[in-house]
Amino acid sequence: QVQLQESGPGLVKPSETLSLTCTVSGYSITTGYYWGWIRQYPGKGLDWIGSLSHSGSTHYNPSLKSRVSVVLDTSKNQILLNLNSVTAADTAVYFCVAGVAVADFEHWGQGILVTVSS
Amino acid sequence: DIQMTQSPSSLSASVGDRVTITCRASQSISLYLNWYQQKPGKAPKLLISAASSLQSGVPSRFSGGGSGTEFTLTISSLQPEDFATYYCQQSYSNVLFTFGPGTKVDIK
Repeated sequence: QVQLQESGPGLVKPSETLSLTCTVSGYSITTGYYWGWIRQYPGKGLDWIGSLSHSGSTHYNPSLKSRVSVVLDTSKNQILLNLNSVTAADTAVYFCVAGVAVADFEHWGQGILVTVSS
Repeated sequence: DIQMTQSPSSLSASVGDRVTITCRASQSISLYLNWYQQKPGKAPKLLISAASSLQSGVPSRFSGGGSGTEFTLTISSLQPEDFATYYCQQSYSNVLFTFGPGTKVDIK
């Protein structure tokens, strides 16, 4: 059973970089699946951030593409998210997700609230 | 971008009621439509993929239908644990995967 757990700072200053880690248990990230991130704004809307395959091919939300990177740390079985130049509009709950297909989000972490504020 | 809308935005229903939620896409997405259930403080849960394919472990009272631009999620007999917010999501685009705004189902 795939289990995902997000971790990282809950508060980030404007213009800085938001960095989150998703630790995967019960499955090796090099075996299969697409791995990615989705965020949910305080008003409840869901926003896909980006995904990458176990082989490393990436897919990013075009509106975030210039600011975002998602990478695999195979040595630690983790998925890393970096979002730079953040503003208050990036305040959200960030979820780590996984699925057999790039756009089918079968597994979710519990989510982590990240607030962008000085 | 493919825009997703849902109706109604919220509804009140009683245990045992039949409930139908509609999701519309701004262009045809064939059968590339997923449904999720989210309870307060929890992550969304994938219920249905490819418009009508029930995920393992999801009760059979949930069903999905439709194709093209209009889709439905039906709960045949609402149970207490079904009170939640439901989201549709298109998986047709190979550029951007978008969600509907959600439909909140609460107790009448």
